[in-house]
Amino acid sequence: AQTVTQSQPEMSVQEAETVTLSCTYDTSESDYYLFWYKQPPSRQMILVIRQEAYKQQNATENRFSVNFQKAAKSFSLKISDSQLGDAAMYFCAYRSISGATNKLIFGTGTLLAVQP
Amino acid sequence: EAQVTQNPRYLITVTGKKLTVTCSQNMNHEYMSWYRQDPGLGLRQIYYSMNVEVTDKGDVPEGYKVSRKEKRNFPLILESPSPNQTSLYFCASSSTRRFTDTQYFGPGTRLTVL
Repeated sequence: AQTVTQSQPEMSVQEAETVTLSCTYDTSESDYYLFWYKQPPSRQMILVIRQEAYKQQNATENRFSVNFQKAAKSFSLKISDSQLGDAAMYFCAYRSISGATNKLIFGTGTLLAVQP
Repeated sequence: EAQVTQNPRYLITVTGKKLTVTCSQNMNHEYMSWYRQDPGLGLRQIYYSMNVEVTDKGDVPEGYKVSRKEKRNFPLILESPSPNQTSLYFCASSSTRRFTDTQYFGPGTRLTVL
């Protein structure tokens, strides 16, 4: 069974600085998708970025980028020029493409604080 | 506007009193799912449905029921709630036709069982 591990329960960053959130996963599959979701205090789940495992190029969305290391099964999220609105819980998630469902497997989350 | 709605957003109830949390989506998605979120555990899948009248258990189905009589609706039923079902619940939906499609999440339902 696939698992997702986020080893940093809490992180803090100064406004305008860069922070990296870590995520590792375990799978025997070769094709899959990885996601980072943001959950602000409103509790809404917001998709931040998505990576297809067959793509070697790291995904980027504005100030958010990932470092995808397939062999190491690592999928870290880098937030550049951090803003106060980035303060939230961040979840890493895995989805198989070979199964019959669209099930997401989540990590336990990293709570990011942004200091002014 | 494409969205997933859940009701109620907040609910406080007592042990054993049956309740239903509704979920509805307006995107004609085939796939719908329920997750629960607990501190230190992330989100875990309770039940999912691949289409009308097709449902199956997720990772933590004990104490829950679901039904999918219409494509847009996927209610979560707790027939005899217990305090260990106090949690934050999310409904999600997506298309099954393209695996890269985003899963859309509802706003969440905060349930407290006393």
